[in-house]
Amino acid sequence: GQNIDQPTEMTATEGAIVQINCTYQTSGFNGLFWYQQHAGEAPTFLSYNVLDGLEEKGRFSSFLSRSKGYSYLLLKELQMKDSASYLCAVSRDYKLSFGAGTTVTVRA
Amino acid sequence: DAGVIQSPRHEVTEMGQEVTLRCKPISGHNSLFWYRQTMMRGLELLIYFNNNVPIDDSGMPEDRFSAKMPNASFSTLKIQPSEPRDSAVYFCASSPTGATGNTIYFGEGSWLTVV
Repeated sequence: GQNIDQPTEMTATEGAIVQINCTYQTSGFNGLFWYQQHAGEAPTFLSYNVLDGLEEKGRFSSFLSRSKGYSYLLLKELQMKDSASYLCAVSRDYKLSFGAGTTVTVRA
Repeated sequence: DAGVIQSPRHEVTEMGQEVTLRCKPISGHNSLFWYRQTMMRGLELLIYFNNNVPIDDSGMPEDRFSAKMPNASFSTLKIQPSEPRDSAVYFCASSPTGATGNTIYFGEGSWLTVV
């Protein structure tokens, strides 16, 4: 199986940094994705990691350690529009399995 | 470019009725996924098609659910008979090569309420 664990909720202040951790257990790992989902909308792709290390894309960065079954999504210079659910997803056998999501609330 | 197109966007139906959800994947994508999202269970993969062939339907909850992909540009998810516990958002997603290194793109979802 692929137990995917991430915190349920996080709150941060506008302009701050927030790190969302994700741990997983799976065999046949093909990669790890992060998606953003605003309330009432579809998930949208944020990042993809298949090798160990940090991938940076603007204000968002994602890190992967395959040996530890661990990833994090780093959101910098938080904006109000970043308030959303962030979903960690593990690719295995060409399928994506999603964690329950972390709801991030950005406060002024 | 048009994204994944789903219909209907919203449906309210009575228990026992048949529900058919439709999906048009992104042109050129050869993998198609049906997901269901609820507050209690999050996003669950129901079925995965590759080149119109069902590869994994282990997530389909029970015999009341069925999915077809008669051609590369169309898929349906059918629930018959529907029950209140089927109320959820049903997402269709597509990908050019499955989920290995290529992003899967979600449609806007079909919001189903069974009363």
